[in-house]
Amino acid sequence: RKEVEQDPGPFNVPEGATVAFNCTYSNSASQSFFWYRQDCRKEPKLLMSVYSSGNEDGRFTAQLNRASQYISLLIRDSKLSDSATYLCAVFNAGNMLTFGGGTRLMVKP
Amino acid sequence: NAGVTQTPKFQVLKTGQSMTLQCAQDMNHNSMYWYRQDPGMGLRLIYYSASEGTTDKGEVPNGYNVSRLNKREFSLRLESAAPSQTSVYFCASTRGVSGGNQPQHFGDGTRLSIL
Repeated sequence: RKEVEQDPGPFNVPEGATVAFNCTYSNSASQSFFWYRQDCRKEPKLLMSVYSSGNEDGRFTAQLNRASQYISLLIRDSKLSDSATYLCAVFNAGNMLTFGGGTRLMVKP
Repeated sequence: NAGVTQTPKFQVLKTGQSMTLQCAQDMNHNSMYWYRQDPGMGLRLIYYSASEGTTDKGEVPNGYNVSRLNKREFSLRLESAAPSQTSVYFCASTRGVSGGNQPQHFGDGTRLSIL
């Protein structure tokens, strides 16, 4: 089993839709959690950190469920510009950030 | 402010050739990382350097060596390239020594093909 797993998608949604991605992790001692966005043939860029109490940044909401060992990303009112691959990343002791395989989102007009 | 700069951006090698991928950051970050990204595999850590003068293996270190030349620069070397090393390579850096809660800043990537 991979340490960090994501549904690869693609998720095809219409503009204005709400879409949610989950990411599961296997190491219960994981300390920090992140969502990155990666556009085609570009480098990953940090979208948001994920805090224990959940956090929101505009249309984006991230949540952490330690009991079930997953993090989620909710995107409301999807825009065409949200089309990208979303990578979750989990930081464990040992100074290593482990990435999931990414979930591809395609927002259609 | 350039951030993280990788060179070259593209490279084609023949099996058995060697080459070094260069990475430099101008953000005075302590930690630097090398990842490879293959389709459907996400990013996999090859090596990292928590601070100047230290390097450690990541998830997939075989076939690679690294050098933390100074605080700014962290190079990745392929001594004898193999087709399995065809990939996109990303360098990243973070401010802190421990990594922890801090986001990683990535370079543009190096697209490497080995024939």
